[in-house]
Amino acid sequence: AQTVTQSQPEMSVQEAETVTLSCTYDTSESNYYLFWYKQPPSRQMILVIRQEAYKQQNATENRFSVNFQKAAKSFSLKISDSQLGDTAMYFCAFMKQGYGGSQGNLIFGKGTKLSVKP
Amino acid sequence: EAGVTQSPTHLIKTRGQQATLRCSPISGHTSVYWYQQALGLGLQFLLWYDEGEERNRGNFPPRFSGRQFPNYSSELNVNALELEDSALYLCASRNYRVAKTEAFFGQGTRLTVV
Repeated sequence: AQTVTQSQPEMSVQEAETVTLSCTYDTSESNYYLFWYKQPPSRQMILVIRQEAYKQQNATENRFSVNFQKAAKSFSLKISDSQLGDTAMYFCAFMKQGYGGSQGNLIFGKGTKLSVKP
Repeated sequence: EAGVTQSPTHLIKTRGQQATLRCSPISGHTSVYWYQQALGLGLQFLLWYDEGEERNRGNFPPRFSGRQFPNYSSELNVNALELEDSALYLCASRNYRVAKTEAFFGQGTRLTVV
């Protein structure tokens, strides 16, 4: 079974600074997707960024980028130029690729609470 | 385009009662996922439905059940409510037939058992 581990329950960063959130996962699969979701106090879960395991290039979305280390099974999220609106819970998630069986099931880590301070 | 909608927003029940939570997926999405988000425990996977069938089930007792209707909307039923069932229940939908698509979440139902 797949597991996702986020080892930092809480983090804080000053506005405009850079912060990195850690995520490790355990799987025997070779084809899968990884996601970072954000859950602000409004509790609406929003996709931040997505990485396909077969792609070596790290995904980027504006101020958000990932460091994907497939061999190490590590998937960290870097937030540059942090903004007050980035304050939220951040969840790392794993999904097997393909159809049938448990493919398509999303497994989440326990989350990291990020506070951006002015 | 309408997002994933969940109802009700809040639900208060007494221990031993039954709760029914509803989810309408994004148009065209065939898969619905249910998660329980209890305080401090992250998102625990409950159930996954696709095209009316249960695809996978998390490690929850049988009193947690659900179904998916022909229009792909879904219900989560929790019988014999216990105090520890108090949590935010999140529904997500996804187009299972299209690879690499992410799941989109509703705003959740806050269930309080007293």
